[in-house]
Amino acid sequence: GAVVSQHPSWVICKSGTSVKIECRSLDFQATTMFWYRQFPKQSLMLMATSNEGSKATYEQGVEKDKFLINHASLTLSTLTVTSAHPEDSSFYICSARNRDSQFQGLNQPQHFGDGTRLSIL
Amino acid sequence: AQKVTQAQTEISVVEKEDVTLDCVYETRDTTYYLFWYKQPPSGELVFLIRRNSFDEQNEISGRYSWNFQKSTSSFNFTITASQVVDSAVYFCALLRRYGQNFVFGPGTRLSVLP
Repeated sequence: GAVVSQHPSWVICKSGTSVKIECRSLDFQATTMFWYRQFPKQSLMLMATSNEGSKATYEQGVEKDKFLINHASLTLSTLTVTSAHPEDSSFYICSARNRDSQFQGLNQPQHFGDGTRLSIL
Repeated sequence: AQKVTQAQTEISVVEKEDVTLDCVYETRDTTYYLFWYKQPPSGELVFLIRRNSFDEQNEISGRYSWNFQKSTSSFNFTITASQVVDSAVYFCALLRRYGQNFVFGPGTRLSVLP
C-alpha cells in the first residue's frame, strides 16, 4: 500500500535553531503535499499546501518566512522551521496526495506520515 | 466554508460497552467526502472509513459501524463491544475534492476502561 515516510519522528532542540522535517512518498508520486500542525489536545490544522515545482500556499496566520516549504520532487517535501521558539513546539504531520487515487477509486485520497513531535527548549 | 463539529470532547466507557461518536459537518458543496481517522497515543493517523456524499448507505466493519445521514449532515461512528485498544482520539474529516486538504473536526478522546 501507499506509504509516506516522515522524518524525524521527534526532535528536541534549543530555541533559535532551525529544524528540517522531511516527508517522502515511497511508492507513489505526490504532486501535492499538505503540512498540518497539531497542538496538544487540539485538532489538526492545515499550515500549507505544497505543489511539486512551485511555491507553497500558506494558510492565513502561518508565517511563510518562518516555515519554509520545499517540494522539489514528486516524492519529497520538506518543512523547515527557522529560528524555532518554544511556541513552535507541536506535532507536525504531512500528507501526500496520490495523483492517481481518484481515478483508481482508492479509498484514501491522501496518505499521512507518522508525524514529527517537535519540542523547543 | 467547510466545518466539522464533534460535540463530544471526551468519552469514557467501560470495556464491552457500545459507544457512538458524533460528527456534524457543514458544506455548500453537493459532492464531498467524509472520513473517520483514529489517532492512538503514538500520534499517527489510522484511516477507518471514507464515505462519498452521494452514497448514503451505512456501513459495518467488524465492531465498527457508520451512520451517514445527509438530511442532518451527520456521519456518526459506533463502536460495538468496545475494547481497551479502542482508546484513542477519533477525528471526523471532510474533503471537498480529492486534490484538496482535509478539514478536521476537533476530535473526540475515547477512553475505554478495563
